[in-house]
Amino acid sequence: AQKITQTQPGMFVQEKEAVTLDCTYDTSDPSYGLFWYKQPSSGEMIFLIYQGSYDQQNATEGRYSLNFQKARKSANLVISASQLGDSAMYFCAMRSSSSSARQLTFGSGTQLTVLP
Amino acid sequence: SQTIHQWPATLVQPVGSPLSLECTVEGTSNPNLYWYRQAAGRGLQLLFYSVGIGQISSEVPQNLSASRPQDRQFILSSKKLLLSDSGFYLCAWSVPITKNIQYFGAGTRLSVL
Repeated sequence: AQKITQTQPGMFVQEKEAVTLDCTYDTSDPSYGLFWYKQPSSGEMIFLIYQGSYDQQNATEGRYSLNFQKARKSANLVISASQLGDSAMYFCAMRSSSSSARQLTFGSGTQLTVLP
Repeated sequence: SQTIHQWPATLVQPVGSPLSLECTVEGTSNPNLYWYRQAAGRGLQLLFYSVGIGQISSEVPQNLSASRPQDRQFILSSKKLLLSDSGFYLCAWSVPITKNIQYFGAGTRLSVL
């Protein structure tokens, strides 16, 4: 069984500062993918970044980077230079190679608030 | 470029009434299609997925059904809505190769009264 754990229900960060959102996962599959999505108050889920289990380097996409620590089974999202528009719910998700549905297993999310 | 359309954005329905939510994808062929439900303040729960026309897999037994009459069209239905069907419904698509990243529609907020 796969499981994603996000232990931070809510986080606050000052504008222009960096913030780390935690995500740990559990799977017995050697091949898997890790995803982060952003959900603003409008509701749409916006794909941010992807990390494959065999990727040697941490993924980066603009101000987003993924701190992937395979041995610790963690995939934390780092947002640099926070902006007011970053205020949203953030979800970590995983897909494993054994998933016949190619489905994503989502965590419970972290509500990020960026303060001016 | 690929786009996904989902409608309606908001829906208020009485208990016992039927439901039909539609999702269409443009700019890609033979995508994987998904229906998720999100309860207030919670994560996403996969309801149905489809890897091709007429191929539907259900993840959670419930009052809902799904159909894929065309390659890029995915429909979520119910014959009789329950109060517990209220929630935020999201459609998603992915290309079934490599990273298989799922891209979501804008969602439908359903209130069953």
